[in-house]
Amino acid sequence: QIQLVQSGAEVKKPGASVKVSCKASGYTLISYGVAWVRQAPGQGLEWMGWISVYNDHIQYSQRFQGRVAMTTDTSTNTAYMELRSLRLDDTAVYFCARSVGATRFDQWGQGTLVTVSS
Amino acid sequence: NFMLTQPHSVSESPGKTVTISCTGSSGSIASNYVQWYQQRPGSAPTAVIYEDNQRPSGVPDRFSGSIDSSSNSASLTISGLETEDEADYYCQSYDRSGVIFGGGTKLTVL
Repeated sequence: QIQLVQSGAEVKKPGASVKVSCKASGYTLISYGVAWVRQAPGQGLEWMGWISVYNDHIQYSQRFQGRVAMTTDTSTNTAYMELRSLRLDDTAVYFCARSVGATRFDQWGQGTLVTVSS
Repeated sequence: NFMLTQPHSVSESPGKTVTISCTGSSGSIASNYVQWYQQRPGSAPTAVIYEDNQRPSGVPDRFSGSIDSSSNSASLTISGLETEDEADYYCQSYDRSGVIFGGGTKLTVL
């Protein structure tokens, strides 16, 4: 059974960093990309970027360029997304998703709530 | 930048058919595949249509997708509406800048 299990909720202060993990089971990260999508409270879905091990490719949304870093650890089959210089409007649920060819998502993690508050 | 525009909300009665549109801002929406995701409150999205009109395993055939090049839009049609179909629906495509989501449509089944 394919699953993506994310780390728990976080509360951070403005200016801090957060690192969210996404552990895959039922398949290997090497075979597919991992995308990160966030959803602010009451808002729609926003793509942040994706990373793929199989073709050594990373692409970030221009909105997050310079503030986000996506990595993978193939030994633990886990992907990570780190967002730096947090702002109040970074408060959102962050999802990881299995990315098929960078263009669509067929499995999603359960989401991680990141709250940025002073 | 390429954008996808969806109606904010639609509503229909159980047993009826509803269509949700997703209009591309520029270029041809047919140039890249369109996906549709269903998101119930408090849950992660799940795919209901991929590559314009393909249904993932387990999605009932009441869900169908299409592309209309003349209006530069994609559509998600749900027939035989059930109360469990009440959810937010997002279209998604991509361009060289990355992945784009529509703003989402809230479907109310009343």
